[in-house]
Amino acid sequence: DAGITQSPRHKVTETGTPVTLRCHQTENHRYMYWYRQDPGHGLRLIHYSYGVKDTDKGEVSDGYSVSRSKTEDFLLTLESATSSQTSVYFCATNGDGTGELFFGEGSRLTVL
Amino acid sequence: EDKVVQSPLSLVVHEGDTVTLNCSYEVTNFRSLLWYKQEKKAPTFLFMLTSSGIEKKSGRLSSILDKKELFSILNITATQTGDSAVYLCAVRDNAGNMLTFGGGTRLMVKP
Repeated sequence: DAGITQSPRHKVTETGTPVTLRCHQTENHRYMYWYRQDPGHGLRLIHYSYGVKDTDKGEVSDGYSVSRSKTEDFLLTLESATSSQTSVYFCATNGDGTGELFFGEGSRLTVL
Repeated sequence: EDKVVQSPLSLVVHEGDTVTLNCSYEVTNFRSLLWYKQEKKAPTFLFMLTSSGIEKKSGRLSSILDKKELFSILNITATQTGDSAVYLCAVRDNAGNMLTFGGGTRLMVKP
């Protein structure tokens, strides 16, 4: 295991409120990713990071922002949550960008 | 844009059956294809394939890649109830360091 911890694991919030999900890793992996998983869509990439302060957008980045101020932490922020952002969010890491991804346990977000 | 399509969407079999899961892909500059198993929580890694025709094997699971026809298969022999899961296929291209995932195949193995 790559020692990936996501928090919170479950959250219920209301439309329009800000939400931040945290991913913490202990393996000193360079690459970190945020995916969302919805029925029928598999895992879709939101944003990823290839180093401290280095981030880039994935295929479903609208409505999300990220920050990485330390190697071990990657934050995903929903500035104003919408019901369409109800999903399970997975953080993943990778050491050199070529091999397998290691996944966290997921964070289930419900936006009412 | 990279694209991954998995079939079938779902499958129900009985213990002892053999199953074949399919993954087809479109990617500009192919680098690797990965298979994951997802039970209730985080996906867990099964195989990574980079070369055509070389079978990867782990116990009752095996996988092979065809880079000419752009697909991979995952075989599970003598299925057990513990094989019940969603199986995910993903591809990585040379342009980036991201994985593009397919929608998954949900396998249910009945006793």
